[in-house]
Formats: sequence, C-alpha cells, structure tokens
Amino acid sequence: DIVMTQTPLTLPVTLGQPASISCRSSQSLVHSDGNTYLSWLQQRPGQPPRLLIFKISNRFSGVPDRFSGSGAGTDFTLNISRVEAEDVGLYYCMQATQFPSLTFGGGTKVEI
Amino acid sequence: QVKLVESGGGVVQPGRSLRLSCAASGFTFSRSVLYWVRQAPGKGLEWLALISYDGSQRFYADSVKGRFTISRDNSKNTMYLQMDSLRLEDTAVYYCARVMVATFEVDYWGQGTQVTVSS
Repeated sequence: DIVMTQTPLTLPVTLGQPASISCRSSQSLVHSDGNTYLSWLQQRPGQPPRLLIFKISNRFSGVPDRFSGSGAGTDFTLNISRVEAEDVGLYYCMQATQFPSLTFGGGTKVEI
Repeated sequence: QVKLVESGGGVVQPGRSLRLSCAASGFTFSRSVLYWVRQAPGKGLEWLALISYDGSQRFYADSVKGRFTISRDNSKNTMYLQMDSLRLEDTAVYYCARVMVATFEVDYWGQGTQVTVSS
C-alpha cells in the first residue's frame, strides 16, 4: 500500500500570512492513464472532510483561490496564500491513484 | 445540491451487527461510485469499501473484508454497510462519500454517523 506522510503535524499560523503543508508518498502517484490523483481535504472541527484540491492543483467548486496545490511524482504541497480564521482545522492529503484503495496522510492541524 | 446523509449508527456490543445507510440526493445516484470511509476517535481516515454504480463490483479494505458488506438500492437512492462481528476497534465515525466523475477522487462526503462498540 502507498503510505502518505504529511509534515508538519501542527502548523501555527498568523492571520493574513501564508502557510504551507507538505505531503510525500512512498511511491509515485502517477497513474497509468497519465494523471496524478492527489487530493487535499480540509476538516473543520466537528465537520466532515471537504474537498479542496484534486489532481494536485485543481481547486474544487467553491474553494477560495487563496488555496493552491502543487507538486509531482511523490512530493506535493498545499499552500494558503493568506490564512483566514475559518482555515483553522485539519488538512489531509489523499491518494486515489491506487483506486479503489485510498490512503490518507496523517493530517496537519492548522492553528492560529 | 449533492447531499449524502448517513444513519444507523449507535452503541453495540462486540460481536454484534449493525447496518448503516447512506441516503443520497441532488445527483444521479445510479451513475455514481460510492465509498464508506471511517475515522476512529482522534485518528485519521481509513477507506473501508467501494461499490460500483450498479453494485456489480465491490471492494473492501483488508481490515473489514469478510465482516462488512457494502450494497446499494438504486431505486431508493441509498447505499448500505452491513457490519457483522463488530470489534472494539471498529468504533469510529462512518462516512459515505462519492467518487468524482471522470477521476478516482472523492468530491462529496456525508456528515457521518457514530458507531461505538462497547461491552
């Protein structure tokens, strides 16, 4: 199984400042179809996960443009250009390249 | 809009069974591939099972294979998870989630239902 490793575990942030979360996979996430199925999820306290980014860098419907994703192969990054108070919560990377098996990173807690 | 609503959770003794439901609305259910995913207290996310749009293909994580059964009724826009031989470590919030069209990724998640296995 592909192992997803996120860093840091906890990310103290300052409102209005940028923030960055890293995710590394134990093997390449490039699918045989040429796509890379790496997503980023946000989970606010007491809420279910919510899709932010899919296929490395595509923002999902309704996601603010301060969120962006980048990377390739085994190394990926979620960036928040200017942190807002509502961004507090847990963030997970998730691979779907090994469909139907999904694996998730351990999560990064973003706190003010 | 897309809506997934889980139900059927509760407190159950080890070794007993429980059936979860996931009622869907706001999209063409019969054309959607769906997952069950769980989150144990203070832990991360774990996929459990996937079912194809017509129910002909079903896949399970090793942790639940042989104990859990995923199914769906497209006439009722509902997916199910039959959980047998429950263990203490099955305690978690159980989510249903939809696979996004044209990718393998998940786009919408339900609110979740709590399952507690306790003697």
